[in-house]
Formats: sequence, C-alpha cells, structure tokens
Amino acid sequence: GENVEQHPSTLSVQEGDSAVIKCTYSDSASNYFPWYKQELGKRPQLIIDIRSNVGEKKDQRIAVTLNKTAKHFSLHITETQPEDSAVYFCAANTNAGKSTFGDGTTLTVKP
Amino acid sequence: DAMVIQNPRYQVTQFGKPVTLSCSQTLNHNVMYWYQQKSSQAPKLLFHYYDKDFNNEADTPDNFQSRRPNTSFCFLDIRSPGLGDAAMYLCATSRDGGSSPLHFGNGTRLTVT
Repeated sequence: GENVEQHPSTLSVQEGDSAVIKCTYSDSASNYFPWYKQELGKRPQLIIDIRSNVGEKKDQRIAVTLNKTAKHFSLHITETQPEDSAVYFCAANTNAGKSTFGDGTTLTVKP
Repeated sequence: DAMVIQNPRYQVTQFGKPVTLSCSQTLNHNVMYWYQQKSSQAPKLLFHYYDKDFNNEADTPDNFQSRRPNTSFCFLDIRSPGLGDAAMYLCATSRDGGSSPLHFGNGTRLTVT
C-alpha cells in the first residue's frame, strides 16, 4: 500500500518568513495530492491540492510543487502570519479513493 | 450551506458499553469515510463506503462496525469500547474518491470511562 512520509514534524518560523513542508510517497499510481490544515480542536480543511498532470500550483501565499519522478511534493507558505499556525497534513490518493496521510507538521509562526 | 454534520460533538461512554456515532451530509457525495484521530497524530482510516460498497481497512478492529443506510447518513458503532478507543472520530465525504478532496465534519470526541 501507499506510504507517505512528511518532514519536518515541527517547524517554527518568524512572522513574515517562508515555511516549507516536504512529503514523499511510495505508490507511483497516486495521482492526487491534497494538503489539509488543522487548527487546534478543529477539523482538517483542504487548503490546496495538486494533480499528477501538474508540476506546480499557487493560491495567494500558498504554493504546492510536485515531482512525479522523485515521488515528492512540497507545500510552500510565504509571508507567514500567526494565523498560519496549525498542523499541516499532506496526503496522497490513488484512484481507489483512499487518502494516505503523512504524520503531520506542527507549524508555529512567532509574531 | 452544504456540509458534513456529526453528532454528538462529545460522547462519554463506559468501558464495554456500546456506542454509536452519527454522520450526515448534504453534499450528495458518493463516498463517506470514518477516521480515528488521536492526539497529535494523523487521521487513521477505519473504513469507507463508495455508495453502498463497504471497504474495511485491514487493521480496523472487529470492535468497529459501520452502517450506511442511505446516501446521506453513515454510522460508526463501537461494540465494546476500550480505554484505547478514546479519540476524535472524524467523518468525511468526497465526491467520488480518487481526485476529490475530503470534506470533514467537526468530529465527535469519545471519552471512555
């Protein structure tokens, strides 16, 4: 089955700096890669996603890159703000419809 | 607003006493999932339904069962809760699995006394 590794497990940055979270996956059949943000005590929510036919996608301060050959994808957050503090999960989906999650990254943005 | 609704938000049950958690959706999505999430960990998939087709994860304990009587509702039954089953239980939907994102409910936090 699919295995997703996520790094780092914790990340602390100063407000205004950039944050990068990296994930690798094992199943070459995976073709959809969503990122979820989970604030303390709340449900995970989709923040951005990328499909396997695209190498990069950007939405305001958030971008995701995908390298299918190397089987890794990354989340980039620029100009971080305190409200970006949360746990971020990457995931990889196959056509079977299951999301395999990474273990999560706790991002802390210091004001 | 179309959404995924879980009831109750907090559930306390006694060791060994059966408990049922419920989930409903107004998104008309084909796929419904149950995840277990323990503190500081990733959501762990227990099972999912693609329409009426039930898919159980290999490592989901037999203690956990699920029902999906119709498109809108899905239930999680824990037959004999143990202390290790205390967790947040998240219901999620997706339009068709595969390349569709998950829409999570707010979860039910289960406490076992």
